[in-house]
Amino acid sequence: EAQVTQNPRYLITVTGKKLTVTCSQNMNHEYMSWYRQDPGLGLRQIYYSMNVEVTDKGDVPEGYKVSRKEKRNFPLILESPSPNQTSLYFCASGGVVPYEQYFGPGTRLTVT
Amino acid sequence: QKEVEQNSGPLSVPEGAIASLNCTYSDRGSQSFFWYRQYSGKSPELIMFIYSNGDKEDGRFTAQLNKASQYVSLLIRDSQPSDSATYLCAVNRDDKIIFGKGTRLHILP
Repeated sequence: EAQVTQNPRYLITVTGKKLTVTCSQNMNHEYMSWYRQDPGLGLRQIYYSMNVEVTDKGDVPEGYKVSRKEKRNFPLILESPSPNQTSLYFCASGGVVPYEQYFGPGTRLTVT
Repeated sequence: QKEVEQNSGPLSVPEGAIASLNCTYSDRGSQSFFWYRQYSGKSPELIMFIYSNGDKEDGRFTAQLNKASQYVSLLIRDSQPSDSATYLCAVNRDDKIIFGKGTRLHILP
């Protein structure tokens, strides 16, 4: 089954404790991306990757890191999480041009 | 000016009628345009995309793009209660994807 998977689906952590959210896709897509969704702010792109070893900032990259060492995986790293990073996070993958996105199930992160 | 704007709704449409959802964008360099549907508590699902002026039809859905006026719309024919969801408009600017905040659609049985 073609899909984007994310783990964990739910995470509660404390301020400053490094965490990684994994994302994997089995559709051989070049383009992968991370978004956060907040009430009243909508869906905002954090980072994206056009291919292996190619990553770039989206509109809200502060406080996040990513890496793309393999085509199928695109982990999101929070080195020192803060409460303002409490959000619903989505990973997505798709082709390059026209950039359609297929979303994972989401990870609900709470930072206390 | 917000880059991608949508009326937040809710938009209430009787079952069987046509639902019309609108989206405007500010960057004339935007290249591709997308409509996603998101049910409460779920992830967005791609409905369709369009990148040329005019209409594109897929089943009950029609996307319309007017680059001169910088708007894109989604028509849903024969609306069903299962169409009740939030509809997200998105545009591709350079290599980024910019989403609107979505329009809540409520189909009245």
